[in-house]
Amino acid sequence: DTEVTQTPKHLVMGMTNKKSLKCEQHMGHRAMYWYKQKAKKPPELMFVYSYEKLSINESVPSRFSPECPNSSLLNLHLHALQPEDSALYLCASSQPREGRETQYFGPGTRLLVL
Amino acid sequence: QKEVEQDPGPLSVPEGAIVSLNCTYSNSAFQYFMWYRQYSRKGPELLMYTYSSGNKEDGRFTAQVDKSSKYISLFIRDSQPSDSATYLCAMSAKETSGSRLTFGEGTQLTVNP
Repeated sequence: DTEVTQTPKHLVMGMTNKKSLKCEQHMGHRAMYWYKQKAKKPPELMFVYSYEKLSINESVPSRFSPECPNSSLLNLHLHALQPEDSALYLCASSQPREGRETQYFGPGTRLLVL
Repeated sequence: QKEVEQDPGPLSVPEGAIVSLNCTYSNSAFQYFMWYRQYSRKGPELLMYTYSSGNKEDGRFTAQVDKSSKYISLFIRDSQPSDSATYLCAMSAKETSGSRLTFGEGTQLTVNP
């Protein structure tokens, strides 16, 4: 099973709202990722958790706050977002193998900020 | 100059055609190469991966890597309308804490019945 699940599928929020995106995998992978994807562009890496520790933070604004409660779950907490943050947010997971690894993506959460 | 260059297309071919998708890269540290397929409004789906120069075949798909030329290709034989999607090449270098994928811009492919 190579499935990564994400909830919700769609989210509309105002600029003053607080919401969370959730991601789950049951492949035993120990690295999990958040990406942001704008239309007709490739995914852009936001955060990487490796063995439940934040290992990469790509200078993402603090209005995005990641959390990794355990090895299967990854959350992205959203607060005071801007309309330009509207995008497809993708979660991925992999088993760390010093770069020789494959990332499996979830279906994404389509976020609209009004 | 971008680390990974990929012709964005769009590319339109008739059903049954052989499709060639290509990426070039400049970073010699890249050693692991992947192709993802992404349907509209969906997440990327891993198609193929390899870390050695040469060819790797899986059904109608063949991935080719030439590290000396820093060039990778994906060939699709007997293309089908269901192959219509955006194809992303991705590559990574050796790291110890999860991998950082560098993507090409993606090539939008349409296979016409």
